[in-house]
Amino acid sequence: AQSVTQLDSQVPVFEEAPVELRCNYSSSVSVYLFWYVQYPNQGLQLLLKYLSGSTLVKGINGFEAEFNKSQTSFHLRKPSVHISDTAEYFCAVSNTGFQKLVFGTGTRLLVSP
Amino acid sequence: GAVVSQHPSWVICKSGTSVKIECRSLDFQATTMFWYRQFPKQSLMLMATSNEGSKATYEQGVEKDKFLINHASLTLSTLTVTSAHPEDSSFYICSAIIGWDSANYGYTFGSGTRLTVV
Repeated sequence: AQSVTQLDSQVPVFEEAPVELRCNYSSSVSVYLFWYVQYPNQGLQLLLKYLSGSTLVKGINGFEAEFNKSQTSFHLRKPSVHISDTAEYFCAVSNTGFQKLVFGTGTRLLVSP
Repeated sequence: GAVVSQHPSWVICKSGTSVKIECRSLDFQATTMFWYRQFPKQSLMLMATSNEGSKATYEQGVEKDKFLINHASLTLSTLTVTSAHPEDSSFYICSAIIGWDSANYGYTFGSGTRLTVV
C-alpha cells in the first residue's frame, strides 16, 4: 500500500521569498504523484502531476516539483511566493493501476508581507 | 472540462435525520467515484470507492450502513449519511478519475459539502 509523508505541517514565509514544501512517498509499485492546493471550505485544485517522462514537472501559478525516485520524494517549489499562495497544500500518490489517491497530512503555507 | 458538481455546498441537519450529498459529472462519464471525508485542519481520508452499477467498496472502519453510497449512473453518485450525529459533522468531498490513458490521467474533485449535525 502507498503512503505519503509531509513532514512540515506549517511553513511560514515572507512574500517574494522562495519556498519548498516537502513530500516523501512509499510504494512497492510504480506511482503517479500529485500536488493539490485547497483554500478554506473549497475542493482541491490540481497544481501539477507526475505521470512519467521528465522528472521536473511545471504546474500552475509558478509552481514546480521534481520527482526523485531514489529518494522517493516529490518536493514542491516556487521561486517567489505571493500572499495569495496562502493555503493548504496536499501531496498525493496513486499507483498506476487507476486506483484511489492517498493523501499526505497537508502543509499549511503562510505567506506574510 | 471534467467538472464534478457537488451539492449541497453546506447543510445543517438535526441529529437522527439523514442527509444526501450528490456529485454529478457534467461533461464526462464517471465510471469510478471516490468519497472522502476531511476533518478540520486534517487530511482527506478515503471513505469508499464506488463503481457505476455495482456496490461500493468501503475502507476499513467506515460503516457501510451509515454511509450509503449509490452510483446508479455514469454521471451521478450519491452519499447518504443516515441517522446523522454530531460526530458525523465534517467536510465531504467526491472525486472521479479522468483521462484514463496514461498521458492524461488524473482526478477531478467536487467543491465539497460542509455537514453540520446539531
